[in-house]
Amino acid sequence: GENVEQHPSTLSVQEGDSAVIKCTYSDSASNYFPWYKQELGKGPQLIIDIRSNVGEKKDQRIAVTLNKTAKHFSLHITETQPEDSAVYFCAANRDDKIIFGKGTRLHILP
Amino acid sequence: DTGVSQDPRHKITKRGQNVTFRCDPISEHNRLYWYRQTLGQGPEFLTYFQNEAQLEKSRLLSDRFSAERPKGSFSTLEIQRTEQGDSAMYLCASSTLSVPTTGELFFGEGSRLTVL
Repeated sequence: GENVEQHPSTLSVQEGDSAVIKCTYSDSASNYFPWYKQELGKGPQLIIDIRSNVGEKKDQRIAVTLNKTAKHFSLHITETQPEDSAVYFCAANRDDKIIFGKGTRLHILP
Repeated sequence: DTGVSQDPRHKITKRGQNVTFRCDPISEHNRLYWYRQTLGQGPEFLTYFQNEAQLEKSRLLSDRFSAERPKGSFSTLEIQRTEQGDSAMYLCASSTLSVPTTGELFFGEGSRLTVL
């Protein structure tokens, strides 16, 4: 079955700097890769997603890249702000399910 | 705008007791998912429904767990004879049938279970 590995588990960046989170997946049949943000006490919320027919997608300060050959995908956050502090999960689809990585706790330092 | 709602938000119980969680999805969302999340981990898939049909159950879902969605609207997740290892956040999510695997999951805020 699908296995999604995510790193780093914790990331601290200065406010205004960029943050990068990387993930790998195992199932070559996966074709949908969402990223979720989870704030304390809340459920995960979709922030951006990418499909396998696209190599890169950008939405304001957030961008995702996908390398299907290497089965890698990454989240890039530029000009980080205090409200970006949260736990971020990468995920991949397997059949009718979404399988999540273990998460990256992002700290934005003042 | 009513999102996915879960009840109760917190439940503390003694080992061996039964607990039941309820999830009300976004109306007209045909798919409903249950996930379990422990501290420092990502959500782990438990089971999902399409309308009232339960289509898949994870191996994580032992025979002490049962989920229902009797009328294709709200769902319940029951845990019988709770064990300390059942302590976790139980998350419910819903999505639209038209985008079953390539669309957004809308999560509730979760039901946190503590088994003493």
